[in-house]
Amino acid sequence: DAGVTQSPTHLIKTRGQQVTLRCSPKSGHDTVSWYQQALGQGPQFIFQYYEEEERQRGNFPDRFSGHQFPNYSSELNVNALLLGDSALYLCASSRGGLAGVTDTQYFGPGTRLTVL
Amino acid sequence: QKEVEQNSGPLSVPEGAIASLNCTYSDRGSQSFFWYRQYSGKSPELIMSIYSNGDKEDGRFTAQLNKASQYVSLLIRDSQPSDSATYLCAVNILTGGGNKLTFGTGTQLKVEL
Repeated sequence: DAGVTQSPTHLIKTRGQQVTLRCSPKSGHDTVSWYQQALGQGPQFIFQYYEEEERQRGNFPDRFSGHQFPNYSSELNVNALLLGDSALYLCASSRGGLAGVTDTQYFGPGTRLTVL
Repeated sequence: QKEVEQNSGPLSVPEGAIASLNCTYSDRGSQSFFWYRQYSGKSPELIMSIYSNGDKEDGRFTAQLNKASQYVSLLIRDSQPSDSATYLCAVNILTGGGNKLTFGTGTQLKVEL
């Protein structure tokens, strides 16, 4: 049973560039959430996708956008990169089901983004 | 007030001892609670989930929840050096049709030989 996968593992970009991170959820899961984890901090919720739509969003600017595909995989896009965007980006998958149903979120290995 | 608060540590315990990790949360609408373990440079790994008041045991781990006091704890019995990691408390709040995890900053645990 494949777990959550993310690509790439590491990425180095310069300020102003754009980046796309990818995530494939655990088998049987249909909901993908993205988190940003700065060094020494807990993960911060960016947004959640279910049925190819953004279902909920955290306090992140519009430079952060995403997409979910029919096979439930997801992308996180960040435009106009800032030095402060350097962080570990985590994807978590769960079974969304009906609105209001909660299920455990399982994390992928993460993508380490460095902005120079 | 932070939504989820944890003592950052480090919490040092000798091998074989009980490690006690604590977490408080501010939103009384919180419905489910999780403990994740995170090794340095790695992603969070689920340890325990708890939804109802009381204790939940899984092997060497026991999660305790007190919704009236807005308090969650994790006990690790017979601590091993391999338990040395950062432990993240997460709270799940169902809002707007979605559910997001809100994390504390984590408690660093060091198990000493």
